[in-house]
Amino acid sequence: EAGVAQSPRYKIIEKRQSVAFWCNPISGHATLYWYQQILGQGPKLLIQFQNNGVVDDSQLPKDRFSAERLKGVDSTLKIQPAKLEDSAVYLCASSFGQGHEQYFGPGTRLTVT
Amino acid sequence: GNSVTQMEGPVTLSEEAFLTINCTYTATGYPSLFWYVQYPGEGLQLLLKATKADDKGSNKGFEATYRKETTSFHLEKGSVQVSDSAVYFCALGGGGSQGNLIFGKGTKLSVKP
Repeated sequence: EAGVAQSPRYKIIEKRQSVAFWCNPISGHATLYWYQQILGQGPKLLIQFQNNGVVDDSQLPKDRFSAERLKGVDSTLKIQPAKLEDSAVYLCASSFGQGHEQYFGPGTRLTVT
Repeated sequence: GNSVTQMEGPVTLSEEAFLTINCTYTATGYPSLFWYVQYPGEGLQLLLKATKADDKGSNKGFEATYRKETTSFHLEKGSVQVSDSAVYFCALGGGGSQGNLIFGKGTKLSVKP
């Protein structure tokens, strides 16, 4: 069974530029999560989808971050404009349903200069 | 709000040494508790979990017991191997039916031959 796929794996941008990350969850998984992991810290939830609806986006900085999961499968996370403090690894995870085991992708390492 | 406090690292041990990584939590209700592991260059993987008080989660020689009276979920292994070198994260279920995870900061373990 294929795992959670993410791309790109690495991205370097300058501050004020925009960037987008893509996630393809495990087939059949209804719930999708985006986490931000700053160096030396644990992952922090940014947004959670159930199918194509948002369940929790309380920690998403909505002035610059946006995410969508239009068809209830793939998802994209966008940052516009990026700030230096957005440098982190962005992790995507999926689960069969809310409360089920989460499976994580390899992450996208973003460096903002 | 809910939170997780994890023993700071890095932890360096010799092969076959005993491992303990401390984890305590603050939560309302009765969340599930998890240990995730991140091997170098790989994504987060679920190591073990416990869903209620006095439950013991175990996997690959690692164990952790859900202690409600001390609000702890310490990770232990009787004899570590070089291949156990990784970053270990304690996490708790965010509560309700949403299933989001709240992570500790992680503990880096290095095992020397």
